[in-house]
Amino acid sequence: DIQMTQSPSTLSASVGDRVTITCRASQSISTWLAWYQQKPGKAPKLLIYKASTLESGVPSRFSGSGSGTEFTLTISSLQPDDFATYYCQQYNDYPWTFGQGTKVEIK
Amino acid sequence: QVQLQESGPGLVKPSETLSLTCTVSGGSISTYSWSWIRQPPGKGLEWIGSIYFIGSTNYNPSLKSRVTISVDTSKTQFSLKLSSVTAADTAVYYCARHAYGMSQLDYWGQGTLVTVSS
Repeated sequence: DIQMTQSPSTLSASVGDRVTITCRASQSISTWLAWYQQKPGKAPKLLIYKASTLESGVPSRFSGSGSGTEFTLTISSLQPDDFATYYCQQYNDYPWTFGQGTKVEIK
Repeated sequence: QVQLQESGPGLVKPSETLSLTCTVSGGSISTYSWSWIRQPPGKGLEWIGSIYFIGSTNYNPSLKSRVTISVDTSKTQFSLKLSSVTAADTAVYYCARHAYGMSQLDYWGQGTLVTVSS
C-alpha cells in the first residue's frame, strides 16, 4: 500500500494567516492526489484534485502543488470557516489511501 | 444537485454482517464509479472499496475477504456488506461518488454510524 504522511498533525493559526500543509507519499503518485476538508460531524468535502486543480465552487484562497512524492495544500489567508481537518488522498494505485489528517485550530 | 444517502442498521452484533445501502438522487448512477469509505470515531479515513456502474469492483486488501459491494442501477442504489464484524469495524460509513472519468470523490453522503456491540 502507498503510505500517505501529513505534517503537521495539528496546526494553530490565526485568521488571516498563510497556512501550509504537507503530504508525502511513500512512492511516486505522479499528480494523482486530492485534498479534502472535514468539519466535525460532517462528510469530507473535495477541495483540490490532480494535485493542483481547484474543485468548482472552492474559494481561490486554497491552492495545491507538488508531484511525485511531495505535495502541499496552502490557504493564502485563513478564514473562520477554514478551521477544520484536512486530508490528502492518493488515487494512483489501489488501495486508495488517505493521510492521517491535519487539524487546523484557532490560535 | 446530486445527493447520496446511507441507510442501514446502526447497531450490529459481533460476528454478524453489516449491510448498508447508498441511495443516489438528483443524478444518474450510470457512467460513474462509487465508493464506500469509513472513519472510526476520532480517527482518519479508510477506503473500503469501489464499484463501477456495470458492476466491476475494487476492494481494499485489508478487508477484501469480508467485503462485497454491489450496485442496482434500477433503484439508483449501491450497497456494502461487511461480514464477521468486530468492534474494530465500528465507524461512520460514508458512500461517495467518483468524479466522471476520474477518481477523486466529489460527492459524499452524510455518513452513518455503525456500532458493533452485543
